[in-house]
Amino acid sequence: GAGVSQSPRYKVAKRGQDVALRCDPISGHVSLFWYQQALGQGPEFLTYFQNEAQLDKSGLPSDRFFAERPEGSVSTLKIQRTQQEDSAVYLCASSLGSRGQPQHFGDGTRLSIL
Amino acid sequence: AQSVTQPDIHITVSEGASLELRCNYSYGATPYLFWYVQSPGQGLQLLLKYFSGDTLVQGIKGFEAEFKRSQSSFNLRKPSVHWSDAAEYFCAVGASQGAQKLVFGQGTRLTINP
Repeated sequence: GAGVSQSPRYKVAKRGQDVALRCDPISGHVSLFWYQQALGQGPEFLTYFQNEAQLDKSGLPSDRFFAERPEGSVSTLKIQRTQQEDSAVYLCASSLGSRGQPQHFGDGTRLSIL
Repeated sequence: AQSVTQPDIHITVSEGASLELRCNYSYGATPYLFWYVQSPGQGLQLLLKYFSGDTLVQGIKGFEAEFKRSQSSFNLRKPSVHWSDAAEYFCAVGASQGAQKLVFGQGTRLTINP
C-alpha cells in the first residue's frame, strides 16, 4: 500500500530492555513525525524530521529516547532501558513538508513494558 | 504555544441523528486546524482541514466543520450519523509559524445507538 507503515504492530518488552520501532513513510514525504499516545489520551508530539535532519526533539521525554532518519526515508525510534511508563502506542506520521500540509498516520506500534 | 480542548469525553447519539463535536483552540495567530478519526487499533485518518478562506469546510464521510475565530472554535458536524461513525475523534491545531508539530485534544469517543 501507499500509506505509512509501522513495525512491529505490537511489542512486549521487560523493564530495562531496549526497543526499536520502525516507520516507513509515504514515498516522497519529506517530513516525518513521531507521537506518543497514552491510553485514553490524544497523541503527544515527540520529534520531527525534515529529510534526514531532526529539527525538533522537544517532545522526547528523556535521554532514553532517541530517533533517527539517516537517509531521509525510514525512521527508527529507539527507547533504551525501558520503564513501565513508556507503555503506550507510538504513532508515526509523514507529510509533504510544507507548513500546514496534513499529516498521514500509520497504525502505530503498541508497546507494553512488563 | 497552541492548545486544544475537547470538552466532551464521550457522546452517545442514535443512528440517523445529527452530531456536533466541540473543539476549542488557543493560538495567537490564525491556526491550521484538523479533525482526525481513530478506530480501535488503527491510526488516525484525516477527516478535514482548515487553512484559510471559507470558514465552513467539507470533509470525507459527510462531515463538515466551521471555523469561528471569535469563539476560537472548530466544531465538527454531521447531519445524520451511521453506525460506522462510532470511533474516537480528535481535533488538532498546527502553528502557522515556528514548530510544525500538531497539538491534539484529548479526544471525544462517539457511541452510536441503533
